[in-house]
Amino acid sequence: NAGVTQTPKFQVLKTGQSMTLQCAQDMNHEYMSWYRQDPGMGLRLIHYSVGAGITDQGEVPNGYNVSRSTTEDFPLRLLSAAPSQTSVYFCASSYSRGHEQFFGPGTRLTVL
Amino acid sequence: AQSVTQPDIHITVSEGASLELRCNYSYGATPYLFWYVQSPGQGLQLLLKYFSGDTLVQGIKGFEAEFKRSQSSFNLRKPSVHWSDAAEYFCAVAARGGNQFYFGTGTSLTVIP
Repeated sequence: NAGVTQTPKFQVLKTGQSMTLQCAQDMNHEYMSWYRQDPGMGLRLIHYSVGAGITDQGEVPNGYNVSRSTTEDFPLRLLSAAPSQTSVYFCASSYSRGHEQFFGPGTRLTVL
Repeated sequence: AQSVTQPDIHITVSEGASLELRCNYSYGATPYLFWYVQSPGQGLQLLLKYFSGDTLVQGIKGFEAEFKRSQSSFNLRKPSVHWSDAAEYFCAVAARGGNQFYFGTGTSLTVIP
């Protein structure tokens, strides 16, 4: 099992550019989520999904879109990047809601 | 609203000393409780979890945590710290049947020889 994989590992964007952060898991987990990690603020939930075709907003959803067309994949889209979105992004998955989450290695994003 | 508090931003301990990292939560009912560890530049790894039953739970790498309902706490302990334990530690809660995890802001652990 590869577990939770994320690509790319690093990315630099200019303000206004768009991009998609990829996340995939091979554990057949229903629940997937995206977090951002900023110094002194822990991890904050951006969006989550409880199954294919079902997504919902977390604590900090503005500026981000998600979709879940398959159980395995849960991409995060930045429509128009802003410097405030400079952060480390983590994708996680779990067997079901409330259960332990397995994390990917993260994507470090810088928006200039 | 649910919240998780880790009152210690940074802790320094000597190798071989004991360790206790504090975690308090605010929630209407007993949630699921977790401790994760993050080494520099890495993702998060689960140390241990509490769902129900025995309030003292054992985890990986010699860590344990005790759930105290009366204090809304879930403190992480290790009797003898190793240099490799230097990392960031996060406490997290999830509502039973709920969809969201809530993380504390983390405690950074430095281990001195």
